[in-house]
Amino acid sequence: GDSVTQMEGPVTLSEEAFLTINCTYTATGYPSLFWYVQYPGEGLQLLLKATKADDKGSNKGFEATYRKETTSFHLEKGSVQVSDSAVYFCALSDMRGGSNYKLTFGKGTLLTVNP
Amino acid sequence: GAGVSQSPSNKVTEKGKDVELRCDPISGHTALYWYRQRLGQGLEFLIYFQGNSAPDKSGLPSDRFSAERTGGSVSTLTIQRTQQEDSAVYLCASSLGVLGSNEQFFGPGTRLTVL
Repeated sequence: GDSVTQMEGPVTLSEEAFLTINCTYTATGYPSLFWYVQYPGEGLQLLLKATKADDKGSNKGFEATYRKETTSFHLEKGSVQVSDSAVYFCALSDMRGGSNYKLTFGKGTLLTVNP
Repeated sequence: GAGVSQSPSNKVTEKGKDVELRCDPISGHTALYWYRQRLGQGLEFLIYFQGNSAPDKSGLPSDRFSAERTGGSVSTLTIQRTQQEDSAVYLCASSLGVLGSNEQFFGPGTRLTVL
């Protein structure tokens, strides 16, 4: 079945540091790929997405590129802020199941950014 | 409404009791999903509703779990004879489904603790 593996946390960085959170996936079809973020005390929010190979999703300074050859969707940000402290989830949606675009998630990575 | 709402936000119950969790999706969203997040794990898909179609129950872990969606809007997830391994955060999400974007909007979740 489909699966998502993302780097274990927690990750602790200083403000303005470079961030990479690795994500790889397994899927038999051609999934769409997502990064979701959960800020403290809030619900899951879509951060960015990519629907086909070589697409780059971007939002709020975060970027991730859909790499089919390495089955990866690594999240990057050039300069993190304290306000980026959150749990980040990599996910995929495989549309082979008809209209059920259920999401398959990684376990999440807790990011803490210190001033 | 402004977003997906869930109630209660927290539920503590004794092993063997039944519990009901409620989800109010975003008005006009025809697709509704339930997920479960156990401690240290990613979100697991439980069940999917799309309009008046038969739900996709493929993620329900046992026959103690059931869900319904009345009038194509509010959904209730019922867990009968709760077990300690049912302790988790239960998340509901809705989307426009086949009528539009597949982006899923998540509620804040219900934290269930089974003693």
